[in-house]
Amino acid sequence: RKEVEQDPGPFNVPEGATVAFNCTYSNSASQSFFWYRQDCRKEPKLLMSVYSSGNEDGRFTAQLNRASQYISLLIRDSKLSDSATYLCVVNEPRAGSYQLTFGKGTKLSVIP
Amino acid sequence: SQTIHQWPATLVQPVGSPLSLECTVEGTSNPNLYWYRQAAGRGLQLLFYSVGIGQISSEVPQNLSASRPQDRQFILSSKKLLLSDSGFYLCAWRKGGGGTQPQHFGDGTRLSIL
Repeated sequence: RKEVEQDPGPFNVPEGATVAFNCTYSNSASQSFFWYRQDCRKEPKLLMSVYSSGNEDGRFTAQLNRASQYISLLIRDSKLSDSATYLCVVNEPRAGSYQLTFGKGTKLSVIP
Repeated sequence: SQTIHQWPATLVQPVGSPLSLECTVEGTSNPNLYWYRQAAGRGLQLLFYSVGIGQISSEVPQNLSASRPQDRQFILSSKKLLLSDSGFYLCAWRKGGGGTQPQHFGDGTRLSIL
């Protein structure tokens, strides 16, 4: 079975810190990539898509390296509200269509 | 804009009882629809997906079933629940077509089996 592997965490960082999450995927035919955020006992919410050229959304920067099958998420100037579990998600071909495969997530706690 | 509704939010059921969870999507047509389960401390597991009315694909063998009686309605059912069916059930949708779009989730149903 194809896998998406993430840093096990948890990451405990002070407010204002920069934190990086890494993720690797095993299916080289994967087509699209995402980072989702999941708060405790809530549904996952799309944080951002990840493109080969790298993309930025405010304090968040995502990078994709297709050759290494590696995805990253950088959060700058961490806020208390960034505390959540971050899921690396890969859209890979399965049974004639594309399905999302989710990593188990990395928990982030931003401490005052 | 598109919205997804899932209910109930919380459910406590005895072993052996039936189950019916419902999910509806508004603001789009012919979406791809999904049911996931997330057990405590584990990742999301895809249970079923549907690309159209009456079309259901199952990812894992289990005592659950799914149906799509209307374009924007997706139902998860069981005739007899097991203890192992406890978990957080999530419905999701994405635009139909090539399948490279992200998915968007409902609020989830937290199911406890006693």
